[in-house]
Amino acid sequence: DADVTQTPRNRITKTGKRIMLECSQTKGHDRMYWYRQDPGLGLRLIYYSFDVKDINKGEISDGYSVSRQAQAKFSLSLESAIPNQTALYFCATSDRRLGGLQETQYFGPGTRLLVL
Amino acid sequence: DAKTTQPPSMDCAEGRAANLPCNHSTISGNEYVYWYRQIHSQGPQYIIHGLKNNETNEMASLIITEDRKSSTLILPHATLRDTAVYYCIVYNAGNNRKLIWGLGTSLAV
Repeated sequence: DADVTQTPRNRITKTGKRIMLECSQTKGHDRMYWYRQDPGLGLRLIYYSFDVKDINKGEISDGYSVSRQAQAKFSLSLESAIPNQTALYFCATSDRRLGGLQETQYFGPGTRLLVL
Repeated sequence: DAKTTQPPSMDCAEGRAANLPCNHSTISGNEYVYWYRQIHSQGPQYIIHGLKNNETNEMASLIITEDRKSSTLILPHATLRDTAVYYCIVYNAGNNRKLIWGLGTSLAV
């Protein structure tokens, strides 16, 4: 069974629509992350959360919002989708107990989003 | 932030060792070197990480030079399933605990 799951796996939406991408994890990790990946590019961090009450913006947070509903759940919302948000979206988790100098992240399978 | 330099692409014959280099000449003393791979748009997969000493696990070996300015990821017996993009990342805990992703090396087996 997958430790980090993402739903939906694929989504097509129209410009202006609000959509939510969900991430759940069974690893018991406290830290969770949302990334996007565009073709031929590396991953870019959108938002991250170190615990339920901690939400932080990443490098490209404009146009996105997040909700950490529980330690195991972290949702990403596009309030009003636009075509340049078409991308592959990944959720990841990591474990604070590894220590401050280490950061091993574990990724979900991704959500492929197309905004028309 | 310590930056990494990797060749954009490499080939390796099946069954042979794949040696993927990474330069990180500006690495600081407490920064770890991480390796991940991404197989055809799947979620990136953690491979291995290290600080100073060489490391080995069931997937790969990581060789870090004594001056820590470069490292090599070794896949001892590459198979077709190892075809992927391999990312070398230097992790700085002081940078809000963010991993900075480059473009990686596309390995074709």
